[in-house]
Amino acid sequence: DTAVSQTPKYLVTQMGNDKSIKCEQNLGHDTMYWYKQDSKKFLKIMFSYNNKELIINETVPNRFSPKSPDKAHLNLHINSLELGDSAVYFCASSQDRSLYGYTFGSGTRLTVV
Amino acid sequence: AQSVTQLDSQVPVFEEAPVELRCNYSSSVSVYLFWYVQYPNQGLQLLLKYLSGSTLVKSINGFEAEFNKSQTSFHLRKPSVHISDTAEYFCAVTYFGNEKLTFGTGTRLTIIP
Repeated sequence: DTAVSQTPKYLVTQMGNDKSIKCEQNLGHDTMYWYKQDSKKFLKIMFSYNNKELIINETVPNRFSPKSPDKAHLNLHINSLELGDSAVYFCASSQDRSLYGYTFGSGTRLTVV
Repeated sequence: AQSVTQLDSQVPVFEEAPVELRCNYSSSVSVYLFWYVQYPNQGLQLLLKYLSGSTLVKSINGFEAEFNKSQTSFHLRKPSVHISDTAEYFCAVTYFGNEKLTFGTGTRLTIIP
């Protein structure tokens, strides 16, 4: 009964490829997020959706495109992968925006070679 | 704009010794504060949070943090650490109506046997 689940857990791919990461939450939360954690463990928000509506779109390359088919799912598609995209990507969800904190998924470790 | 500073990137502590992980924030409005823990190769888990009321908040595994408005701090403490406390600890801040949590850069707590 994982609350926030991400797939895949590991992703190794070549430069130039296109890949997707999926996220699903079964908590009934109305807001979902994508965060990127770099090699120094720094966490940076990328996107946030509230009830399928994009509410946060930080400065990320437009090769990154989120999609939320419903409020329980938030997927991340990345085009033309670059070496610098290698990181751990975390999905998270929350109720009432960020007020009560997030529930995080276990992360997707993306390695671009 | 809100920000979080975790001054110590690494804190080594002997087993059963006390520890304090420092967190300072800046914000022009009333804040809500969080500590998250990330065990190796895992996602982030909420450790404790301050929303309102008592300035001293506690977790189920012996950690506590005190909100100090005058010092703009939310330091995390534990009187006696265990090997299992080895992890990365992140402080985070938000405010009512905000869309996102802002995270500090993390403190790696290493317990020495």
